[in-house]
Amino acid sequence: QSVLTQPPSASGTPGQRVTISCSGSSSNIGSNTVNWYQQLPGTAPKLLIYSNNQRPSGVPDRFSGSKSGTSASLAISGLQSEDEADYYCAAWDDSLNGQVFGTGTKVTVL
Amino acid sequence: QVQLVQSGAEVKKPGASVKVSCKASGYTFTSYYMHWVRQAPGQGLEWMGIINPSGGSTSYAQKFQGRVTMTRDTSTSTVYMELSSLRSEDTAVYYCARALQLAIDAFDIWGQGTMVTVSS
Repeated sequence: QSVLTQPPSASGTPGQRVTISCSGSSSNIGSNTVNWYQQLPGTAPKLLIYSNNQRPSGVPDRFSGSKSGTSASLAISGLQSEDEADYYCAAWDDSLNGQVFGTGTKVTVL
Repeated sequence: QVQLVQSGAEVKKPGASVKVSCKASGYTFTSYYMHWVRQAPGQGLEWMGIINPSGGSTSYAQKFQGRVTMTRDTSTSTVYMELSSLRSEDTAVYYCARALQLAIDAFDIWGQGTMVTVSS
């Protein structure tokens, strides 16, 4: 059961900007940092953003993250066909004393 | 290069136990926490717990308390996840994932996944 809520799908044409939201509560996003993962079909997830807005080495700057209150967002600018994947947000939850993931968003490049 | 290599697929009967291994290479094993995450077919990601390879301390998700055990062998740089009293709902791909040193709740290196099928 996912504690963080994401839209099930998002789409855009090549070159467009797509934004994915992640809604939580005071016990998770409201008091801890947010990470984002990209999962291509049939593969393990890949870390895209950590600590709300930090990109690991090798992740293009087309991907950016932000957080405000109990919500967070992932933006993909200059959308490319290889960005077609599932995206998950994640945060530590102080009440559950564990990591919680979002419901996941499938991004389609039209 | 830094990598995590997991053991192969398993098929188990309900009530049995399964033990999945995750061998680390390319970095100092005891310097990074390790998490376990699972994903049921067509579903999202679910966190199971974390182990500190240095001292062996663990913390498990409430859902799996009493059924999961995470251990490590520093001589082989391997972590293990054992899940007992298996039921059909435990059918999933199980991943080990290394935590960042700067943010231990962020997972930067993932294993390839181990499919565990629970079926009578």
